[in-house]
Amino acid sequence: SQQGEEDPQALSIQEGENATMNCSYKTSINNLQWYRQNSGRGLVHLILIRSNEREKHSGRLRVTLDTSKKSSSLLITASRAADTASYFCATDPYSGGSNYKLTFGKGTLLTVNP
Amino acid sequence: GAVVSQHPSRVICKSGTSVKIECRSLDFQATTMFWYRQFPKKSLMLMATSNEGSKATYEQGVEKDKFLINHASLTLSTLTVTSAHPEDSSFYICSARDPGGSYNEQFFGPGTRLTVL
Repeated sequence: SQQGEEDPQALSIQEGENATMNCSYKTSINNLQWYRQNSGRGLVHLILIRSNEREKHSGRLRVTLDTSKKSSSLLITASRAADTASYFCATDPYSGGSNYKLTFGKGTLLTVNP
Repeated sequence: GAVVSQHPSRVICKSGTSVKIECRSLDFQATTMFWYRQFPKKSLMLMATSNEGSKATYEQGVEKDKFLINHASLTLSTLTVTSAHPEDSSFYICSARDPGGSYNEQFFGPGTRLTVL
């Protein structure tokens, strides 16, 4: 099955609430990244967390990583309608050489209602 | 962050024709670019890795003669969908890796919506 599985697949919340999305993966990783995609657009890099980090913050974003459980979570606090988008996790597998392929999960569609 | 552009953003073509999509890194030199395909409400599927000055590496199941990739310079990779058919209709996204970055962060283009009639 696919590396990087997000849940829930869809999440609908009210503006001001917090949104939490989870990502699970299967193989060892070098780092894990979260991306955002607005409908019909490209992806925007949000945050990268290295395998030796447990938590990272960037503005209203908080990412955690538990390598023992092979899982990560993305928390968006005080959500806004403009946060409505699909969110993907991407795993960068640990490997030497020049393998730079990222593997993307299926994504969580977040809808923030005004 | 670094900027990657794609052109065209949208293309409609007739079945049997070929379509070329360009991916450019605007403010950095990208030795490696990636081409993805995305179906509606689905995740990104990696099609191939484009390496400057060498042949692209295709993922299993992707026809290299169908999806021609050329990475002729450090800032440009092209994807040509040859003899396009309606089933090739999809959203194609490229990304570029900045070799000057500390980690494998990829910068994505805005995508190209291909519709084959």
